[in-house]
Amino acid sequence: ILNVEQSPQSLHVQEGDSTNFTCSFPSSNFYALHWYRWETAKSPEALFVMTLNGDEKKKGRISATLNTKEGYSYLYIKGSQPEDSATYLCASSNSNSGYALNFGKGTSLLVTP
Amino acid sequence: DAGVIQSPRHEVTEMGQEVTLRCKPISGHNSLFWYRQTMMRGLELLIYFNNNVPIDDSGMPEDRFSAKMPNASFSTLKIQPSEPRDSAVYFCASTEPKNTEAFFGQGTRLTVV
Repeated sequence: ILNVEQSPQSLHVQEGDSTNFTCSFPSSNFYALHWYRWETAKSPEALFVMTLNGDEKKKGRISATLNTKEGYSYLYIKGSQPEDSATYLCASSNSNSGYALNFGKGTSLLVTP
Repeated sequence: DAGVIQSPRHEVTEMGQEVTLRCKPISGHNSLFWYRQTMMRGLELLIYFNNNVPIDDSGMPEDRFSAKMPNASFSTLKIQPSEPRDSAVYFCASTEPKNTEAFFGQGTRLTVV
């Protein structure tokens, strides 16, 4: 099973701050990189799925980039709001493991007013 | 579609009892994942089915755990005998072929006393 690492483990910012998280993953036989948002007492919900080196995706104030050669992805949140508070999960898959999604432990974000 | 449906939502059982968790994936999805979420380990992949066939079960903790997918619309995760350290939230997720976004069920919170 692949090792997906996320940093930081937790983050506490003030409303209006911009922030970013890192996901590192094994780059060999890479197939896809996913970002999920997980609110307390709910299920993880997909934010982005990226497959190509250099991919950049954006949804509102949240964006993500992908570097498959060096095995990392960044998630950016511009102008954080309290409703952005959640755990952000990254998952990668590769063709050797049957495309199974393997998750990192997540970054827990708290945005205070 | 009602999404991925898991049952029960909560299960409290005594140590040594058999526990069966159930999952109905989204119709048309051919990949199904079972995950276990704990504070220590985050979201761990237990087993992954593709077209009802188990592809990777290396995450299954030990022989007390077993999973089946008798058809495209139903999967079970069984723990026999259960132990207190099995207490966790168990999530089921399904995807279309080759990793479009994963859709998660609401999870089953298992408590073994």
